Amino acid sequence: DAGVIQSPRHEVTEMGQEVTLRCKPISGHDYLFWYRQTMMRGLELLIYFNNNVPIDDSGMPEDRFSAKMPNASFSTLKIQPSEPRDSAVYFCASSFMGGEGNTIYFGEGSWLTVV
Amino acid sequence: SQQGEEDPQALSIQEGENATMNCSYKTSINNLQWYRQNSGRGLVHLILIRSNEREKHSGRLRVTLDTSKKSSSLLITASRAADTASYFCATGLTGGGNKLTFGTGTQLKVEL
Repeated sequence: DAGVIQSPRHEVTEMGQEVTLRCKPISGHDYLFWYRQTMMRGLELLIYFNNNVPIDDSGMPEDRFSAKMPNASFSTLKIQPSEPRDSAVYFCASSFMGGEGNTIYFGEGSWLTVV
Repeated sequence: SQQGEEDPQALSIQEGENATMNCSYKTSINNLQWYRQNSGRGLVHLILIRSNEREKHSGRLRVTLDTSKKSSSLLITASRAADTASYFCATGLTGGGNKLTFGTGTQLKVEL
């Protein structure tokens, strides 16, 4: 399997622009997670889905952030409008209930810089 | 706030030495996992220990769990330069579904 695939790997955008991050989870996985990593706050869970349904979005920082999962093989995280404080690495991850506990498989991350 | 707190924040050792990292958490857990992150990369699962287990081994890794103290340790024996990375503990909470909460991480540097 190719693992969790994220795009873009790197993005530099200007403040106020819309940013869309994309994720393809591992085939057969029924959970999908979006995490954000910064030096100051570490690794934060933003939102997670089960069978394409959002289960917990309490980590989404504010209304500028939205996430969708239209089908089992695709999810997006959108920031509109973007701000410099959104600069971070955004990780998508997936897991399979019934596997070894709830081991999570991470993508390589999308490195976002908002200037 | 983070569920898990790793200690130390940073650790520098010589190749061949053992590295021990500790993790403390706050609430009841189903399991505790350790992940590794190389610079610029995603996190990779290393090992999982369930709440009813006390010790687990995988290759050069040894994990212990003390639920009474709400703590875990990760021991890497005979470290190698390639073990240089950040190590995170993550807790699967009772009633938390499939969600994991990650700690703050320990940066390990193994020098030749």
